[in-house]
Amino acid sequence: NAGVTQTPKFQVLKTGQSMTLQCAQDMNHEYMSWYRQDPGMGLRLIHYSVGAGITDQGEVPNGYNVSRSTTEDFPLRLLSAAPSQTSVYFCASSKTGMATNEQFFGPGTRLTVL
Amino acid sequence: AQSVTQLDSHVSVSEGTPVLLRCNYSSSYSPSLFWYVQHPNKGLQLLLKYTSAATLVKGINGFEAEFKKSETSFHLTKPSAHMSDAAEYFCVVSRADKIIFGKGTRLHILP
Repeated sequence: NAGVTQTPKFQVLKTGQSMTLQCAQDMNHEYMSWYRQDPGMGLRLIHYSVGAGITDQGEVPNGYNVSRSTTEDFPLRLLSAAPSQTSVYFCASSKTGMATNEQFFGPGTRLTVL
Repeated sequence: AQSVTQLDSHVSVSEGTPVLLRCNYSSSYSPSLFWYVQHPNKGLQLLLKYTSAATLVKGINGFEAEFKKSETSFHLTKPSAHMSDAAEYFCVVSRADKIIFGKGTRLHILP
């Protein structure tokens, strides 16, 4: 089992560019989530999915889109990157609800927006 | 509404001495509580979780935490620190699909 994988590990964008952060899991987990981590802020939930075809907003969804066409994949799209989106992004998955179950985290993507 | 407060942003202890990382929470209903650890440049890993069973929860690597409803606390402890414990620790409160991470406590281990 690879667990949760994320690509790329590092990315530099210019303001206004778009890109997709990839996330995949091979544990057949229903729940998947995207977080951003900023210094001194902990992790904040961007979007989450409770299963294929179902997504919902978290605490900080503005500027990000998600879709979930398969159980395995949960890409995060930045439509028009802004410097405020400079952060480390983590994808996580859990077998069922993230409220009571362990989440398994990917290694993260470090994004810099110039 | 839910919230979580980690009372110390940095904690330093000597190797072999006890560790105490403090976490207070606020929740309108009975929450689930977690501690996660993040080693440098890594993702997060679950240390332990409380989901309304035993109030004293044992986790991996000798860590444990006690849920105290009257004090709304979920402090993380370890009897004897090891150099490999140096990391950032996050207290998490959740209910339904609402999940809130604390801002983290960085644990430094002095030789």
